Amino acid sequence: GENVEQHPSTLSVQEGDSAVIKCTYSDSASNYFPWYKQELGKGPQLIIDIRSNVGEKKDQRIAVTLNKTAKHFSLHITETQPEDSAVYFCAALYGNNRLAFGKGNQVVVIP
Amino acid sequence: NAGVTQTPKFQVLKTGQSMTLQCAQDMNHEYMSWYRQDPGMGLRLIHYSVGAGITDQGEVPNGYNVSRSTTEDFPLRLLSAAPSQTSVYFCASSLTPRSGNTIYFGEGSWLTVV
Repeated sequence: GENVEQHPSTLSVQEGDSAVIKCTYSDSASNYFPWYKQELGKGPQLIIDIRSNVGEKKDQRIAVTLNKTAKHFSLHITETQPEDSAVYFCAALYGNNRLAFGKGNQVVVIP
Repeated sequence: NAGVTQTPKFQVLKTGQSMTLQCAQDMNHEYMSWYRQDPGMGLRLIHYSVGAGITDQGEVPNGYNVSRSTTEDFPLRLLSAAPSQTSVYFCASSLTPRSGNTIYFGEGSWLTVV
């Protein structure tokens, strides 16, 4: 099956700075890579996704980049705000409609 | 449009007891799934269904049963609860993840087995 690794496990940034989370995956056939944000006590919510036919996608302060050759994709959050503090999960779609998740990254934005 | 609804939100069970976590979605989604979330482990797939009458095992299926008699409902059954099943459980649904449709998660069910 797919193996998704997520780094770093915890990231602290000053408000206004950028945060970058990187994920690697093992299955070269994977073609869909979503990112989820999970706030305390809630379910994960999709914030951005990318398909394998593009290298970058941006939505306001959030962007995702994909390098299929190296099998890694990254989440970029610019101008971080306190409400960006959460756990972020990357995932990769593989095989028979399954999503494999990374272990999550705790982002703390320091005011 | 309520999205994905899970019940109960909190439950304490004794070892050996059985219970069912309910999941319902009102978006006419074909694909439904159950995950468990444990500290440092991320989200792990328990069981999933690609349509009514069809279910399949995920990464960690042991100790859990599912059924999909309708498109809307996908209950998760613990037949004989064990402390190792203490976790947060999330139900999710989508049209189908094959083409990368958004997967929507419920708010979670916190289960403690003592």
